[in-house]
Amino acid sequence: EAGVAQSPRYKIIEKRQSVAFWCNPISGHATLYWYQQILGQGPKLLIQFQNNGVVDDSQLPKDRFSAERLKGVDSTLKIQPAKLEDSAVYLCASSLVTGYNEQFFGPGTRLTVL
Amino acid sequence: KNQVEQSPQSLIILEGKNCTLQCNYTVSPFSNLRWYKQDTGRGPVSLTIMTFSENTKSNGRYTATLDADTKQSSLHITASQLSDSASYICVVSPGGKLIFGQGTELSVKP
Repeated sequence: EAGVAQSPRYKIIEKRQSVAFWCNPISGHATLYWYQQILGQGPKLLIQFQNNGVVDDSQLPKDRFSAERLKGVDSTLKIQPAKLEDSAVYLCASSLVTGYNEQFFGPGTRLTVL
Repeated sequence: KNQVEQSPQSLIILEGKNCTLQCNYTVSPFSNLRWYKQDTGRGPVSLTIMTFSENTKSNGRYTATLDADTKQSSLHITASQLSDSASYICVVSPGGKLIFGQGTELSVKP
């Protein structure tokens, strides 16, 4: 079974530029999550999708971050414009459904904002 | 406020030795507690998941314990190997959402 795929693995941009990350979850997983992990900290949930609907985006900085999962499969996370404090690893995870179901994480995209 | 605190923040041990990592939480309601291992540059990988009624769960050389009364959990690693060097993250779920600890950075030296 293929795992969660993410691209790119690394991205370096200057502040005020835009950037987009892509995630392909495990086939059949209805729930998709985007997390932000700052160095030395645990992941912080940015947004959770159930199929193509948003379940929780309470911690998503909506003035600069946006995410979509149009067909209920792949998802993209965009930052526009980026700030220095956005430097982090962006992790995508998926699970069959929510609740007890185990979340499987992708390798992450390491973003550096200069 | 839902919080998960882990200790120590970092730990260095010699190969072959045992170690125990601690996790205290103030998450309510409680659904389950998970331990994840995160290698450098990789996403977290689940080691164990325990519900309220489970006191202990093992996965090879990893054994997790849960005391739901005191809201504490521990992860014991037996006969450590160099490949155990990683960050270990305690995660508590009130149901649906996951509350992550900051992780314990374990370094196993030869």
